[in-house]
Amino acid sequence: GAVVSQHPSRVICKSGTSVKIECRSLDFQATTMFWYRQFPKQSLMLMATSNEGSKATYEQGVEKDKFLINHASLTLSTLTVTSAHPEDSSFYICSATDRDRGIYGYTFGSGTRLTVV
Amino acid sequence: ILNVEQSPQSLHVQEGDSTNFTCSFPSSNFYALHWYRWETAKSPEALFVMTLNGDEKKKGRISATLNTKEGYSYLYIKGSQPEDSATYLCALNNAGNMLTFGGGTRLMVKP
Repeated sequence: GAVVSQHPSRVICKSGTSVKIECRSLDFQATTMFWYRQFPKQSLMLMATSNEGSKATYEQGVEKDKFLINHASLTLSTLTVTSAHPEDSSFYICSATDRDRGIYGYTFGSGTRLTVV
Repeated sequence: ILNVEQSPQSLHVQEGDSTNFTCSFPSSNFYALHWYRWETAKSPEALFVMTLNGDEKKKGRISATLNTKEGYSYLYIKGSQPEDSATYLCALNNAGNMLTFGGGTRLMVKP
């Protein structure tokens, strides 16, 4: 079945530094990638949607200059948290699909726990 | 902002018990309802995608029903086993590709 590999699973960084999270589709072409964030005791919230080769579309309230999304290839999308602050500490998870499967084929990564100290 | 609610938030059952949880959502502009099973440190696993009012889907001991007119879906687990312990998420598609998630139901099955 379709697999999305997400790395790192956990990262601790100092305030002010940047952190990059990668999601790779291992056996399909991820034409669309979604990035979610989950704060404690809350549901997964969509941050942005990216289509391969296009600029990401960000949800209201998500700063595009802070959360840089790159989806330059059909198998790799990255989320970079720039100038991280403690309030960015959260769980980040990606989900990908392709044109053939559409809504029937959302495949998730296993998530990244970011802690900013 | 869509409001997708799941209840209960958590549930403890004994091995062998049958159980069910609820996902409620706005019925307007409905497109699809997804159920996922999510174990700690793993990727959410798709269980069902349901699109039609009255849909019933089954996968082994797990089944789900959908009522789009009143805006709810039930997930049933028959004869719960410890390996069923996980968080069960529902998510609503109402336009395009995006999913709006509920807060999940955390199921713990005691041996």
